[in-house]
Amino acid sequence: QVQLQESGPGLVKPSETLSLTCTVSGGSVSSGNYFWSWIRQPPGKGLEWIGYISYTGSTNYNPSLKSRVTISVGTSKNQFSLKLSSVTAADTAVYYCARGVIQGGYYYGLDVWGQGTTVTVSS
Amino acid sequence: ETTLTQSPTFMSATPGDRVNISCKASHDIDDDMNWYKQKPGEAAILIIREATTLVPGIPPRFSGSGYGTDFTLTINDIESGDAAYYFCLQHDSFPYTFGQGTKLEIK
Repeated sequence: QVQLQESGPGLVKPSETLSLTCTVSGGSVSSGNYFWSWIRQPPGKGLEWIGYISYTGSTNYNPSLKSRVTISVGTSKNQFSLKLSSVTAADTAVYYCARGVIQGGYYYGLDVWGQGTTVTVSS
Repeated sequence: ETTLTQSPTFMSATPGDRVNISCKASHDIDDDMNWYKQKPGEAAILIIREATTLVPGIPPRFSGSGYGTDFTLTINDIESGDAAYYFCLQHDSFPYTFGQGTKLEIK
């Protein structure tokens, strides 16, 4: 049974880069038929999809964040990461990683989520 | 980008009640709608996929309906353990988008 766990600094200074890692247990990010996403939820607001990296290494980002986001696979095949540059207070949120399913070339929704990690942007 | 309008944002129910949560899409998304349940500090759990398919292991008290732009999550015979945050996700097109979420309280 696949489980996901987010990790990284809980506090980031304005203008710096937020870096988070998602560790996948019970599976590998290079396994076929899956893509790996990041999502966030600012305090009191709804969920926002950030982007994904697929098992082939292809990426897709939310246009609202595209200029600042990089999602990549870690050196360990059971990790993928998120980097968000030039952060401001508006980037304060709970950040989640999640797995999505690809079947027949079609991207289905997210089926497994991590429990989230809180990141605060403040000096 | 597809906008999802979820309602209500908060609801209170009594054990044994039936509740309905709505999610309306800004344009036709076929059946590309998932529903999730999340308790504070826990991972979200997929409960309904493709608008109407119950995920294995989820009690049949949960059901989904709808197609196109109007979708509903129904919970029958509410139990105390159903208290949670419920949200919808459209996976018809990127960027994926979510409903605003519904906090369900059990009296």
